[in-house]
Formats: sequence, structure tokens, C-alpha cells
Amino acid sequence: NAGVTQTPKFRILKIGQSMTLQCAQDMNHNYMYWYRQDPGMGLKLIYYSVGAGITDKGEVPNGYNVSRSTTEDFPLRLELAAPSQTSVYFCATGDRDNSPLHFGNGTRLTVT
Amino acid sequence: KQEVTQIPAALSVPEGENLVLNCSFTDSAIYNLQWFRQDPGKGLTSLLLIQSSQREQTSGRLNASLDKSSGRSTLYIAASQPGDSATYLCAVRFYTGTASKLTFGTGTRLQVTL
Repeated sequence: NAGVTQTPKFRILKIGQSMTLQCAQDMNHNYMYWYRQDPGMGLKLIYYSVGAGITDKGEVPNGYNVSRSTTEDFPLRLELAAPSQTSVYFCATGDRDNSPLHFGNGTRLTVT
Repeated sequence: KQEVTQIPAALSVPEGENLVLNCSFTDSAIYNLQWFRQDPGKGLTSLLLIQSSQREQTSGRLNASLDKSSGRSTLYIAASQPGDSATYLCAVRFYTGTASKLTFGTGTRLQVTL
């Protein structure tokens, strides 16, 4: 039972490149979230999904896209990477709105 | 604006001391409140979840309280140990009309010294 798995752990991108951050869960949770964490700031919600085929924007969605074709996977796509997207990205899952969140170990992304 | 504040940003205590971490929020219309622990380079681990109808939750040496009317929650750690050293984050799920939104504080970095 791996919980929430994020890959890769680290990545360096050049400005303008694109990449996909992977998130997979084996807990059969309906809710999945993508957050970014910047130094001295609270976690900010990028996108979330309440089930397969359903996604919605969070607070800071610009420059990102998501898809949710299965319950298990929730990839985050960065198009045209910018230095402002340098951050640590966390994927999280939850059974319902009123249940604890389970986080992956994060992907540390640097855009130069 | 719905905000979550954690003060102080950092705290250092000697081993064995009991301590309290604070979390304050600006809107009493909350769904629930969670306390998380984050170790360096790792994700967040949920410690305690308090529903809006509850006043406190306990797990081992941890006790979290919730006072919606004053917009405050505290995380009490008894008999602190060096292994408790980590950043502790508070997150509040606020009602936003037809939905809810989880807002995180910036955390308190705790160091427990020998």
C-alpha cells in the first residue's frame, strides 16, 4: 500500500519547456489535489478533482493543466515553464471533504 | 478574506517540555480544521482533524482544540522529544457558498533540543 506516489522527485527545466508531474494513489480516494509550496507561503491550491472525469481550478491555475481519466491518476501538466513556477509541488488525496488529506512526498521543480 | 495565521514562525524548546502551537483564522464559518506535520524534504502528514462540531481531538501526546467563536485552535504537545522537531501546519476548511476551500497557514517550525 504505497499511498500517494509522486514522480519525479526533482526536475530542472529550462524556460519554455514543458513537463508532466505524475501523481498516483492506491487508496481509492475520490478527491485529488495539486498544491504548490513556496518558501514562507502557505500551500496554494492549483487544481483539484472530485472524481474521474471531473476537474476544477484552484487559486493559482494559470500555466497549468490537469486531467483525471482514472480514479488512481491525476497528472499536472506545465506548458511553457516560467521561473515563477519554481516551487515544490504536492499531490494530495482525500476520501471526502471532511476527511484527512494524504500527501505525496512532493516534486521539487526549478525553472531556469 | 479567509486567512489562517500561525505565530510564532519558529520555536525552540528543551526536551521534555510541554508546548502549545497556535493557529488563528478570520472566519468562524468553518467546516473543519486539520493539523499537519512536515519533515524537511517530505510531504505533509495529517496529525489531527477536528470537525466544526467538535471542541478537541487527541492522539497520543497530541491534543488539538478548536474555538470557532474566537477563531483559534491550539496544538498541545506533551513531553516533547527531539523526534517532534518538524514544521507544524494548520489548515482550515472554510465554507464558500456552495463549496468549501482549504486554506493553509505558513507553519511553525519546531525544534526540540537535547
